[in-house]
Amino acid sequence: AQSVTQLGSHVSVSEGALVLLRCNYSSSVPPYLFWYVQYPNQGLQLLLKYTTGATLVKGINGFEAEFKKSETSFHLTKPSAHMSDAAEYFCAVRLSGGYNKLIFGAGTRLAVHP
Amino acid sequence: NAGVTQTPKFQVLKTGQSMTLQCAQDMNHNSMYWYRQDPGMGLRLIYYSASEGTTDKGEVPNGYNVSRLNKREFSLRLESAAPSQTSVYFCASSEPGGGGTEAFFGQGTRLTVV
Repeated sequence: AQSVTQLGSHVSVSEGALVLLRCNYSSSVPPYLFWYVQYPNQGLQLLLKYTTGATLVKGINGFEAEFKKSETSFHLTKPSAHMSDAAEYFCAVRLSGGYNKLIFGAGTRLAVHP
Repeated sequence: NAGVTQTPKFQVLKTGQSMTLQCAQDMNHNSMYWYRQDPGMGLRLIYYSASEGTTDKGEVPNGYNVSRLNKREFSLRLESAAPSQTSVYFCASSEPGGGGTEAFFGQGTRLTVV
């Protein structure tokens, strides 16, 4: 069965610093991978996704993620944090082959300090 | 463009009461999902419907029932609410599309069972 592990339930960075949120997945078949962001009292919004092709994926708000099959990872990065990036971030996986269920990690809450 | 609409946004129930959470999407998606979100546990799938007329259990189906009323609507029912069902509930929809399509989320229903 596939699963998703997000290392670090809380990450704190200074404004302007690098953001790195870690996600590892387990899957016996090629996965589709997603990062979602949730702002307080709101639903989830897609940041970016990996399906096939280029392993470095760019998303909204300056975020990007790299799919590394050998490491079964899909870490999310942003070169320079902004105060508005403070939110909770979720990594999710869906198996290829028409399997519809999205499985989420436990989430990482990002705090950005001035 | 409304996307995914959930009602109500907030609800307080007494233990043993029943209620139905409503969800409707206007994106003509075939697949719909119900998740619950609890602190430190991410989003856990309760039930999903791959297409109109079909429903399947997710990770945590006990205590819930669902109805896929038509292509647009997917409701979640709690027959006898328990305090353990206090949570934030999210409805989502997507195209099945072989797995690479993202899910779109509603704004959530915050349910408290006392």
